[in-house]
Amino acid sequence: DIQMTQSPSSLSASVGDTVTITCRASQDINDFLAWYQQKPGKVPRLLIYDASTLQSGVPFRFSGSGSGTDFTLTISSLQPEDVATYYCQKYNSVPLTFGGGTKVEIK
Amino acid sequence: QVQLVESGGGVVQPGRSLRLSCAASGFSLSGYGMHWVRQAPGKGLEWVADISYDGGKEFYGDSVKGRFTISRDNSRNTLYLQMDSLRTEDTAVYYCARDPYGSGSYYFDHWGQGTLVTVTS
Repeated sequence: DIQMTQSPSSLSASVGDTVTITCRASQDINDFLAWYQQKPGKVPRLLIYDASTLQSGVPFRFSGSGSGTDFTLTISSLQPEDVATYYCQKYNSVPLTFGGGTKVEIK
Repeated sequence: QVQLVESGGGVVQPGRSLRLSCAASGFSLSGYGMHWVRQAPGKGLEWVADISYDGGKEFYGDSVKGRFTISRDNSRNTLYLQMDSLRTEDTAVYYCARDPYGSGSYYFDHWGQGTLVTVTS
């Protein structure tokens, strides 16, 4: 099965900073990758699918890039409401697999 | 608007069974693949199972294969998860989630609030 590895596992940044989260697949998954945001005590929310397509209603400061095995979620101008854990998920084939998550905090 | 409401969670002993339900509203369930995703306390997300729009295809994660069964009743707009031979490691919040495609096995564009299953003796 394909493994998804996220890095870092946690980070702390200042409001207004650009934050970058990386997700690496153990095999080529083309662009079959989604990103989710889960705020503390809340339900996960889809941010990005097909590696770089922004889900409707998601702020434009979120962006995704990558293809193959290496992917990036970028938050430009970090806001206090972005405090959350972010997960990547691959869907090129079953089993559908999530990365371990990246916890983002405000410095 | 799209709404998914899970029910059926609770406390159960190891080896026993439980059936979860997910009532969908705001859209026609028959047009979409559906999933169950779980999250153990303080842990990350784990995909459990999915089912195509017509129930013709089902897929399971390795940790639940042979013990859990996903099903759907489109006439009732309801998704189910039958969980048998429960283990302590099945303790988690179980979310139902919608797939944007009828075939399923893609990603999750809407999530329910989740229902907690606790397996303990």
